[in-house]
Amino acid sequence: DQQVKQNSPSLSVQEGRISILNCDYTNSMFDYFLWYKKYPAEGPTFLISISSIKDKNEDGRFTVFLNKSAKHLSLHIVPSQPGDSAVYFCAARDTDKLIFGTGTRLQVFP
Amino acid sequence: GAVVSQHPSWVICKSGTSVKIECRSLDFQATTMFWYRQFPKQSLMLMATSNEGSKATYEQGVEKDKFLINHASLTLSTLTVTSAHPEDSSFYICSADTGQGVNYGYTFGSGTRLTVV
Repeated sequence: DQQVKQNSPSLSVQEGRISILNCDYTNSMFDYFLWYKKYPAEGPTFLISISSIKDKNEDGRFTVFLNKSAKHLSLHIVPSQPGDSAVYFCAARDTDKLIFGTGTRLQVFP
Repeated sequence: GAVVSQHPSWVICKSGTSVKIECRSLDFQATTMFWYRQFPKQSLMLMATSNEGSKATYEQGVEKDKFLINHASLTLSTLTVTSAHPEDSSFYICSADTGQGVNYGYTFGSGTRLTVV
């Protein structure tokens, strides 16, 4: 039973445009949502998070939106850069542990 | 910032042997560490939560006798894959609770690629 889902396995975006990565969840008790960036054969690195009591959090080029009624969150990257190419995981916090989505591979082309 | 070191980064072992993976917090003490497993093109699946000085808490479906976790000190947790088989081949990642709040509270190691032949 996948509690956190990323339905798009891949996304291709032109440099300079906006990248939108989506994530859905089923458990309304998650209190925090986090986005991680991951390169092959490396551990995930933290990007941005949002509390379940907020609906938006922004950090530079990265903005995360949370729609609790729809149990949906999205990560916006604008403008997208080639260096953003990686796999992005959303994660939800359940007490002290993180539940990860399946990841979306983002490719930013020139 | 908090750094987690995971060793080895890759290992090849023969079927039936055991492999130990180490996860160290280098500049902080971690009372709680987490072990994940990632299959190709899939999510990071939490295997177990490791607490210093006590038994690990395993997620449903994870064989505790096969994946032995020891968290004997505040800076070291180990995962031992016992009697490894080819289906145990995977990418194993640890993370540590840095106690720095949600954002940077989960610092990950660089992972270990295990191949069982």
